[in-house]
Amino acid sequence: GDSVTQMEGPVTLSEEAFLTINCTYTATGYPSLFWYVQYPGEGLQLLLKATKADDKGSNKGFEATYRKETTSFHLEKGSVQVSDSAVYFCALSSGNTGKLIFGQGTTLQVKP
Amino acid sequence: GAGVSQSPRYKVAKRGQDVALRCDPISGHVSLFWYQQALGQGPEFLTYFQNEAQLDKSGLPSDRFFAERPEGSVSTLKIQRTQQEDSAVYLCASSLRGVSEQYFGPGTRLTVT
Repeated sequence: GDSVTQMEGPVTLSEEAFLTINCTYTATGYPSLFWYVQYPGEGLQLLLKATKADDKGSNKGFEATYRKETTSFHLEKGSVQVSDSAVYFCALSSGNTGKLIFGQGTTLQVKP
Repeated sequence: GAGVSQSPRYKVAKRGQDVALRCDPISGHVSLFWYQQALGQGPEFLTYFQNEAQLDKSGLPSDRFFAERPEGSVSTLKIQRTQQEDSAVYLCASSLRGVSEQYFGPGTRLTVT
């Protein structure tokens, strides 16, 4: 079945460092891909998405490109802030219902 | 506007008790999803409704889990004879239609003692 694999955390960075969180997927068909973020004490929020190969999703300085050839959707940010500390989930939409398949999550901690 | 709301936010149940978790989706959203999130893990799909019709219940872990959405709006996830392995955060999400963006509620944290 469809699945998503994320790099394990936690990831600890200093403020203004470059961030990459790796995500690869296995799916039949052509799923849409998502990054969700969960800030401490808050619910899941959509960070960005891409719906077809070579699309780049971007939001709040974060970017991810849908790479069909490598089945990847890595999350990047050029300069992280303390306020980016959160848990990040990569996900794909499976089938025609739109149900989401999530990775296990990667905790990011940014230190001042 | 109002987002997805869930109640209760926290529930403690003794093993063997029945529980009911409520989800109020965003008004007008046709699709509603339930997910289960164990500690330190990503959410896992439980079930999907399109209006009042339950079109996919492939993720429900056992026949102790039951979900309904009788009028196509509010949904209830019921767990009968709770077990310790049912302890998790139960998330509800709604979307305008199945494949559009899902908006998540804050979740209900269920602890079975």
